[in-house]
Amino acid sequence: QQQVKQSPQSLIVQKGGIPIINCAYENTAFDYFPWYQQFPGKGPALLIAIRPDVSEKKEGRFTISFNKSAKQFSLHIMDSQPGDSATYFCAASNYAGGGNKLTFGTGTQLKVEL
Amino acid sequence: DTGVSQDPRHKITKRGQNVTFRCDPISEHNRLYWYRQTLGQGPEFLTYFQNEAQLEKSRLLSDRFSAERPKGSFSTLEIQRTEQGDSAMYLCASSSSGVFGFGEQYFGPGTRLTVT
Repeated sequence: QQQVKQSPQSLIVQKGGIPIINCAYENTAFDYFPWYQQFPGKGPALLIAIRPDVSEKKEGRFTISFNKSAKQFSLHIMDSQPGDSATYFCAASNYAGGGNKLTFGTGTQLKVEL
Repeated sequence: DTGVSQDPRHKITKRGQNVTFRCDPISEHNRLYWYRQTLGQGPEFLTYFQNEAQLEKSRLLSDRFSAERPKGSFSTLEIQRTEQGDSAMYLCASSSSGVFGFGEQYFGPGTRLTVT
C-alpha cells in the first residue's frame, strides 16, 4: 500500500519558473513531512520540512504548503535555476510515535531549461 | 567533512555471495537508519537503531539480511546468499532523537550493489 502519493512523475520548466510538486498521504498519524533533493548517484539531501501545526514554511527559494484537512502538501521552487534539475522526493513519518521512519513518495524528476 | 559516510560506494558480487556494507553516522547522532532504493523509486525503510539497540525491522528485511550497530557508533548491513533482486542502492541515514527538533535525517552517499 502506497502511503504517500507524489505527482507529477516528471516536470520541465523554464529558468525562473515556479515548479510545483504535490504529495498526498493517507496515514493520519504522520506528523513530520520533509522534502529531499537527489542528484544522480548521490544520497538524498534534506531541503525543507514542515510539521502539521503550520500551513506554510519558506526557506530560501523553497516553500512547503500544507493542507491538513485534505492530507496534502506541496513543494514550490521559486525562481528555478538549471542547477535545481534533480529528483525530488516528499516523505512523511510519525515522529511522535517514535522511530521516525520515513515513507517516501515515488519521486519527481525536475528539469529546468535555460 | 562530518556527514554520513558509507563504504564501499559500489559493490559488484556474484549471486550467492555474502556482502557487508558499513555506515558511519554523524558523530552526535544516536539514531541510524538503513533504506533501500531501486531505480526510479523512493527509498524504502529497512531498519533502524537507537544507540546500539535495533528497534524496528521492515518486512522487506528477509532472514538473509542482518544489521548491527555495536557500541552505538558505526553500523554494518550484511546480505547473505545474495540474489539478483538485491541489486539496489543501500542508503544509510542518521539523526538525533532530540527534544528540540524532529530528528531530521541526513543521508549518506549510498552503496550501489549489483548482483550478477
